[in-house]
Amino acid sequence: DAKTTQPTSMDCAEGRAANLPCNHSTISGNEYVYWYRQIHSQGPQYIIHGLKNNETNEMASLIITEDRKSSTLILPHATLRDTAVYYCIVRVPGDYGQNFVFGPGTRLSVLP
Amino acid sequence: EPEVTQTPSHQVTQMGQEVILRCVPISNHLYFYWYRQILGQKVEFLVSFYNNEISEKSEIFDDQFSVERPDGSNFTLKIRSTKLEDSAMYFCATVGADTQYFGPGTRLTVL
Repeated sequence: DAKTTQPTSMDCAEGRAANLPCNHSTISGNEYVYWYRQIHSQGPQYIIHGLKNNETNEMASLIITEDRKSSTLILPHATLRDTAVYYCIVRVPGDYGQNFVFGPGTRLSVLP
Repeated sequence: EPEVTQTPSHQVTQMGQEVILRCVPISNHLYFYWYRQILGQKVEFLVSFYNNEISEKSEIFDDQFSVERPDGSNFTLKIRSTKLEDSAMYFCATVGADTQYFGPGTRLTVL
């Protein structure tokens, strides 16, 4: 089973920041937080990952709380093309035999 | 940017027939995975593969399924005798820089 919980769905106005929360209260010290998204039935797309420091890349920012029990993915200026299901996954990186366990994710709808 | 590719994009088959789904991993990636997603459901892990052998498999990956890397480039998933419930999207993934990269998927429809 997935070790994370996320809201089932969220709406966001186009051009506004989308803040997607994730709870991972049982995260282990060596587990990273990964975010992926899936647009329609396409393959999951990697967004960002981090351990404990906040991370930013060209797609998004990841804010992880100090106790690492929760995190927030931020899409700073959401567009209609960001409408997708967003998955928060915890995993030990470099453990290549370990698969990703997907939960149901959050369905983000960006509204015009 | 290198990508994982999969063929075919859509496969229609009759129940009981064998199907082979193909994946071309990102070059120099060594770990490969297959996942499936039944319409409207979660993405589910099937199997991981490294150094020409299975590393891990889920309970979904029964004797009807097999994987191989026949020619050093393609990575294939074979379903020996398809069932209606095998209808799903099948995704190949490879690992690089601690991250899994997924292919676009093959939609398998079993009639």
